[in-house]
Parts: sequence; structure tokens; C-alpha cells
Amino acid sequence: DIQMTQSPSFLSASVGERVTLSCRASQNINKYLDWYQQKLGEAPKLLIYNTNNLHTGIPSRFSGSGSGTDYTLTISSLQPEDVATYFCLQRNSWPLTFGSGTKLEIK
Amino acid sequence: EVQLVESGGGLVQPGRSLKLSCAASGFTFSNYYMAWVRQAPKKGLEWVATISTSGSRTYYPDSVKGRFTISRDNAKSSLYLQMNSLKSEDTATYYCARPREGFAYWGQGTLVTVSS
Repeated sequence: DIQMTQSPSFLSASVGERVTLSCRASQNINKYLDWYQQKLGEAPKLLIYNTNNLHTGIPSRFSGSGSGTDYTLTISSLQPEDVATYFCLQRNSWPLTFGSGTKLEIK
Repeated sequence: EVQLVESGGGLVQPGRSLKLSCAASGFTFSNYYMAWVRQAPKKGLEWVATISTSGSRTYYPDSVKGRFTISRDNAKSSLYLQMNSLKSEDTATYYCARPREGFAYWGQGTLVTVSS
């Protein structure tokens, strides 16, 4: 199985700050990497699919990059509504596997 | 508007069975693979099962393989998850999700609690 390691586990940043979240796969996942945002008490929401494709309706301050085993989610200017836990998911091979999440808070 | 509505969760004893349902609307159900994803209380997300458009292909992680069965009824636009031999570690909120270019749509989830 492919293991997905997210870092950091917790991040506190200021409004307007540029924020970078990381996800590392235990083997090459050929850019089949998604990012999800989950706010407290809600279902997860797709932000980015296949590394760098913004899902419909997602603000352009969210972007993704990466290749091989290393992937990044960037929020260009953190907003109060971005407080959430962020998960990555690899869809390169079965079983599909999620990272353990990064909890993002406002400083 | 795409809607996924899960039902069937509840309290069940270890070793017993439970069947979850997901009613889909707002899209042509038979054209899409469908999946279940779960989340234990205050934990991360775990993919549970995926089924092909016709139902001929199914996929599971080892943690549920042989105990859980995903199925669908395209005529009713419904997805199911039959869960047998339930364990305490199966306690979670179970989400129905539509995968294509990522899990783009999710239901609100249904809580399954396995406890004596």
C-alpha cells in the first residue's frame, strides 16, 4: 500500500499569510493526488484534483503542485474561512490512501 | 444539483450486520463509479469501497475486504454498503462519494457505532 505522509500536522498562520502544506507518498503516484478541505462538523470538500487542477468554485488563492512523491498545497493569502483540516489523497493505485491531515488555524 | 443522501446508520453490536444506503440525484447515476469513505471519531479519512458503473467491478482495502460489500441499483439511483461481522474499529461516519477526477461530491454522512 502507498503511505501518504502530511506535514505539518498542525499549522498556525496569520490572515494574509502565504501557507504551504505538504504531502509525501511512499512511492511515485504519477500526479494522481487530490487535496480536500474539511471544516468542523462538515463533509470533506474537494479543492484540487490531479495535483494542480482547481475544482469548480474553489477560490484561486488555492493552488497545487508536485510530481513523483512530493506534493504541495498552497494558499496564497490565508483567509479566516480557511480554518479547517486538509487531507491529501492518492488515486494512483488501490487501495486509495489518505494522508493523516494538516489542521490549519489562524494565529 | 448533485445530492447524495446516506441513511441506515445506528448503534449495532459487535459481530452483527448493518446495511447503509445512499440515494443519489441531480446526475445520471449509472454513468459514474461510486464509493464509500469513512471517518472514525476525531480521526482521518479512510477509503472503504468503490464500485464500477455496472457493478461488475468492486474494490476494497484489506481492512474491510471479505466483511463489507458495496453494491448499486442503477434503476433506483442508489448505492449500498452491506457491513458484516462488524468490529468496534468500524465505528465511524460513513460518507457516500462520487469519484471522477477526485471525490467531487460527498453526502452528509451517516454515523455507525459498533458497541455492546
